[in-house]
Amino acid sequence: ILNVEQSPQSLHVQEGDSTNFTCSFPSSNFYALHWYRWETAKSPEALFVMTLNGDEKKKGRISATLNTKEGYSYLYIKGSQPEDSATYLCAFGSGGSNYKLTFGKGTLLTVNP
Amino acid sequence: KAGVTQTPRYLIKTRGQQVTLSCSPISGHRSVSWYQQTPGQGLQFLFEYFSETQRNKGNFPGRFSGRQFSNSRSEMNVSTLELGDSALYLCASSLVVGGAYEQYFGPGTRLTVT
Repeated sequence: ILNVEQSPQSLHVQEGDSTNFTCSFPSSNFYALHWYRWETAKSPEALFVMTLNGDEKKKGRISATLNTKEGYSYLYIKGSQPEDSATYLCAFGSGGSNYKLTFGKGTLLTVNP
Repeated sequence: KAGVTQTPRYLIKTRGQQVTLSCSPISGHRSVSWYQQTPGQGLQFLFEYFSETQRNKGNFPGRFSGRQFSNSRSEMNVSTLELGDSALYLCASSLVVGGAYEQYFGPGTRLTVT
């Protein structure tokens, strides 16, 4: 059974604060690491897919890094806004031709105006 | 481009009944995966279909089954429903991006078993 752990479980920040969360995953049989943003009553939205150790991806104020050797990824949000409030999910991709995503339970971010 | 659609969005069934959920992927996507989310749990992988074949399966009992049609639309069936099957069921269609499979999710079907 693969364990994908996310921390913290939840986070409350003030508008303008920068924040980050962690995703830990097995370092073996790694294929890719996905980050998703899931707002209430909407579909999970893909943020990043990272495949190489040392990858860094950025989309606006959100960025992510990947360390496959030690099995972790960080998601950073710079200058949080209320519209960033959502659950952020990471998913560990394994299996190559039988590709399968194992999700963490997510980090619930609430940004207070 | 239309996104992933799922029908119905909400469903109430009683124990012992069976249910069929439908998923239409993004046009051109040939892979469809199904996930279950229950309170306090992350998304749990059910199965994946590609070109009408089940390619991968999660750890769920045989009451959970699925299929995919030639137009890539997929259905998921749960027989002999139990209270614990109450959950949000999401499907996702896949596009290969740089060797990894980017998944695009539908809005989900909320199933309540009473």
